[in-house]
Amino acid sequence: NAGVTQTPKFQVLKTGQSMTLQCAQDMNHNSMYWYRQDPGMGLRLIYYSASEGTTDKGEVPNGYNVSRLNKREFSLRLESAAPSQTSVYFCASSEAPAPYSNQPQHFGDGTRLSIL
Amino acid sequence: GEDVEQSLFLSVREGDSSVINCTYTDSSSTYLYWYKQEPGAGLQLLTYIFSNMDMKQDQRLTVLLNKKDKHLSLRIADTQTGDSAIYFCAESGLGSARQLTFGSGTQLTVLP
Repeated sequence: NAGVTQTPKFQVLKTGQSMTLQCAQDMNHNSMYWYRQDPGMGLRLIYYSASEGTTDKGEVPNGYNVSRLNKREFSLRLESAAPSQTSVYFCASSEAPAPYSNQPQHFGDGTRLSIL
Repeated sequence: GEDVEQSLFLSVREGDSSVINCTYTDSSSTYLYWYKQEPGAGLQLLTYIFSNMDMKQDQRLTVLLNKKDKHLSLRIADTQTGDSAIYFCAESGLGSARQLTFGSGTQLTVLP
């Protein structure tokens, strides 16, 4: 019962490098989300996709792009990594966007990204 | 924007009850959630409450909601060492229809 799977689990980049974080869910959920978690700041929404074919900016979208590849997959891309993007990144999915449903968001285990 | 606040740390003795508090500002909040995060892991949903409820109980967990004061609490009865983790409060509201607003998390430490 995989749920939400994120790859890679760890990554170290140099400033200016690019990379894509992958996320896949096997629960047939419509909505998917990318968050970053920084110490003492909880989780902040980067981008979300309410349904296949749509994406919207969250609270902290600058420096990131996303692609909803299909219903299962939602990727996050850093085009030119900066030290300020060092963080733990979480992907989540839900059956329908809150608050129209009481279905909660289910989270992956995170990608720990360090940018030197 | 909307805000959710929690105290950063809480320590309790094993076997005691833990109470983790949360305040929020969004008066249109419809659902409020409690998530648990263990070291190196993602967030695990513990429980949630709809805004028209005052209380919800689920085994050792009791959620109390004071909508007038915008105050949410999570009580863990008979706290065990396995309950040591970070607990996040989150709210969803009509003003932010497709996102949750999280608190900064409360680190619960259970002492033997």
